[in-house]
Amino acid sequence: QVTLKESGPGILQPSQTLSLTCSFSGFSLSTSGICVSWIRQPSGKGLEWLATICWEDSKGYNPSLKNRLTISKDTSNNQAFLKITSVDTADTAIYYCARRPPGSPHWYFDFWGPGTMVTVSS
Amino acid sequence: DIQMTQSPASLSASLGETISIECRASEDIYSNLAWYQQKSGKSPQLLIYAANRLQDGVPSRFSGSGSGTQYSLKISGMQPEDEGDYFCLQGSKFPLTFGSGTKLEIK
Repeated sequence: QVTLKESGPGILQPSQTLSLTCSFSGFSLSTSGICVSWIRQPSGKGLEWLATICWEDSKGYNPSLKNRLTISKDTSNNQAFLKITSVDTADTAIYYCARRPPGSPHWYFDFWGPGTMVTVSS
Repeated sequence: DIQMTQSPASLSASLGETISIECRASEDIYSNLAWYQQKSGKSPQLLIYAANRLQDGVPSRFSGSGSGTQYSLKISGMQPEDEGDYFCLQGSKFPLTFGSGTKLEIK
């Protein structure tokens, strides 16, 4: 059974660094073809893909966030991480992690975590 | 970036009605398209991938079609549990991009 769960600080101040953790079970990030991505959704708005990390440690980032993103993984503990530097109120959103299924030539996400709400406020 | 234009933004349907939601890509995405349903306060649930492949466990009243730049999601026979927001996702090219969403309500 595949599950993912996000965790984060809940609230932080502008200019701080946001650190998020995705803890998952039912698959391994060392398995060929597996990737985990971060996606966010401001309240009442649409979805924005942020970053992806794959089993062989390849990474992809949304250029709209320029150099503020860093994605990493801890394969032994079944976790993926995302850091966003210099946050401001526009980063207030629900943050999801999601899995790309193995063995598919297409990019999509089959399982998502429930999301963690992050509020940036002074 | 590939822009995904989704329409309509909102839709009201009667029980049993057949509805369609469209996504148009700014360039050919070679059927790299997925559809998601999101209910209030929940994470998105995968309905369709590769433009027309039904995800396991999804009712057969959901179907996807399209190619090139034009794609659609059809619900054949609206049910109460189909209320929610629907999004498309293009997976052809990074950055991955989503449609702006369609809010589907029961009339």
